[in-house]
Amino acid sequence: AQTVTQSQPEMSVQEAETVTLSCTYDTSENNYYLFWYKQPPSRQMILVIRQEAYKQQNATENRFSVNFQKAAKSFSLKISDSQLGDTAMYFCAFMKPYSGNTPLVFGKGTRLSVIA
Amino acid sequence: DTAVSQTPKYLVTQMGNDKSIKCEQNLGHDTMYWYKQDSKKFLKIMFSYNNKELIINETVPNRFSPKSPDKAHLNLHINSLELGDSAVYFCASSQLVAGENYGYTFGSGTRLTVV
Repeated sequence: AQTVTQSQPEMSVQEAETVTLSCTYDTSENNYYLFWYKQPPSRQMILVIRQEAYKQQNATENRFSVNFQKAAKSFSLKISDSQLGDTAMYFCAFMKPYSGNTPLVFGKGTRLSVIA
Repeated sequence: DTAVSQTPKYLVTQMGNDKSIKCEQNLGHDTMYWYKQDSKKFLKIMFSYNNKELIINETVPNRFSPKSPDKAHLNLHINSLELGDSAVYFCASSQLVAGENYGYTFGSGTRLTVV
């Protein structure tokens, strides 16, 4: 079974600074998808960024970028120019290529606080 | 328009009661899910339906019964509620696009409190 590990339960960063959230995963699959989801205090789960394992290029979405190291099974999220609105729980998630019965598997999350 | 909507958003009920949570998606997705988020924020899959067919049924007490009347709706009925059922329940949906998976779209969650 796939497992996702987020080793930082809590982190904080000053506004406008850069922060990196760590994620490692365990799988024997060669092709898969990795995601970062954000859950602000509103409780809504928001997709931040997506990475396909067969693509070597790291995904970026505006201030959010990932460092995907397939051999090391590492998938960290970098948030640049942190804003107060980035305060949230961040979940790393893994998914095998869809075969009808392979759900999204989440890590335990990292609580990020952005400080003014 | 809300893509995945759940009702109710909050539910407070007494132990032993039976309750239902409803979920509807207007995205045309084929697959829908129920996840449970516990007090430590851990998200765990409970059920998944693909075109009204149950495809994932994790180790969940029999008191939990999902029902999918059509592919746009997935409801969760819980019998004989217990204190340990208190959690946030999320509905989600997904769809393959040209063979690629772009993640799930989540509803806003239902916070269930059993007293």
